[in-house]
Amino acid sequence: QSVLTQPPSASGTPGQRVTISCSGSSSDIGGNTVNWYQQVPGTAPKLLLYRNDQRPSGVPDRFSGSKSGASASLAISGLQSEDEADYYCSAWHDSLNGPVFGGGTKLTVL
Amino acid sequence: EVQLLESGGGLVKPGGSLRLSCAASGFTFNNYAMSWVRQAPGKGLEWVSSISVSGSRTYYSDSVKGRFTISRDNSKNTLYLQMDSLGAEDTAIYYCASDRENILTGYPGGLLDPWGQGTLVTVSS
Repeated sequence: QSVLTQPPSASGTPGQRVTISCSGSSSDIGGNTVNWYQQVPGTAPKLLLYRNDQRPSGVPDRFSGSKSGASASLAISGLQSEDEADYYCSAWHDSLNGPVFGGGTKLTVL
Repeated sequence: EVQLLESGGGLVKPGGSLRLSCAASGFTFNNYAMSWVRQAPGKGLEWVSSISVSGSRTYYSDSVKGRFTISRDNSKNTLYLQMDSLGAEDTAIYYCASDRENILTGYPGGLLDPWGQGTLVTVSS
């Protein structure tokens, strides 16, 4: 069972906006920043957003993130077929002294 | 090009040992903490271990503490994971990743980028 909670699946049609939630506790999200990773099946995870809402170079501005208290969310606007992937939220856990992850959300583009 | 390349995975019997390596290139390896993250077949990501820039500080998940040892050789730009007393629950793809959260201190903080392509460890008799 993952420390952070994400919905197992999400879906949308091309052009739509979808959001993926991530909830934790005061020991992780509540006290630290959130990172999001994208994993296309069969490939390694890739950093998608860092420090709640920052995009690495090369990540389209269709991807945005936010955090409030012990919860965070990832929003994808203008959904495209290539966005079909698994998405993981992550945050440092103060007592585990390591990052914790959500269980992952499988995004399907219908 | 920034690159991490894992090696050393394979099939091992329960109770056996394996040593994974992660060769870094394209960036200043001794500026960044490093981490290992694993993914069991069909499952999500699980943090395994992290190490500070100097190697003086190491961190482990409860699931591997006492069985796995993380280390690094900054002169060889290489990260290692020594895995002992392996069990079926350790079967997974093991990824190494550079930790870029606390560049000034050299301690891990969970901002993992980039990741290697992974190496598969299968524990089975």
